[in-house]
Amino acid sequence: DAGITQSPRYKITETGRQVTLMCHQTWSHSYMFWYRQDLGHGLRLIYYSAAADITDKGEVPDGYVVSRSKTENFPLTLESATRSQTSVYFCASGTATQETQYFGPGTRLLVL
Amino acid sequence: QKEVEQNSGPLSVPEGAIASLNCTYSDRGSQSFFWYRQYSGKSPELIMFIYSNGDKEDGRFTAQLNKASQYVSLLIRDSQPSDSATYLCAVNTGGFKTIFGAGTRLFVKA
Repeated sequence: DAGITQSPRYKITETGRQVTLMCHQTWSHSYMFWYRQDLGHGLRLIYYSAAADITDKGEVPDGYVVSRSKTENFPLTLESATRSQTSVYFCASGTATQETQYFGPGTRLLVL
Repeated sequence: QKEVEQNSGPLSVPEGAIASLNCTYSDRGSQSFFWYRQYSGKSPELIMFIYSNGDKEDGRFTAQLNKASQYVSLLIRDSQPSDSATYLCAVNTGGFKTIFGAGTRLFVKA
């Protein structure tokens, strides 16, 4: 199916563990984004990428690492998970000529 | 700190009425403005975008922008129960950096 997918959809982990959230898009969009959504804060940008091998920090990057070796994939890694990283994580993509973003279904992460 | 402010609601309107959702932003240099709809447990989906001062209409939806007042609004005419969702205002502050408001919950009563 075309579109943007995220995996896993649900994840429970423990404090201190490394966790990787996957994002894959089939539109060949150049831009990709990671957001977290928490009650009262709305969506906050963690990292974004303008193209393969080009990434930049967003509003809340601490504790997260990203990579983009291929245009279609943009994994997000929590190097050492903390309870404050419990959240819903959304991946999004967009083209260089439009500023609208298309969101994946989200990953619900619980850090115990 | 660039901010986008929305009333969290909930805003409750009867079916068939006009729902008015408002948003203010702090960065005067912002050029692009978006409204996303998010159903409970789902991902945001784009409803409308607006770049210029004034009104932009798309079906039952009208976006209004006033850059001098740093104010964006979304009007939903003939509101339907299926419009019940959280509406996110988003502002592009440069490049692809978009700041989202926390959202306004809308309930349309049948």
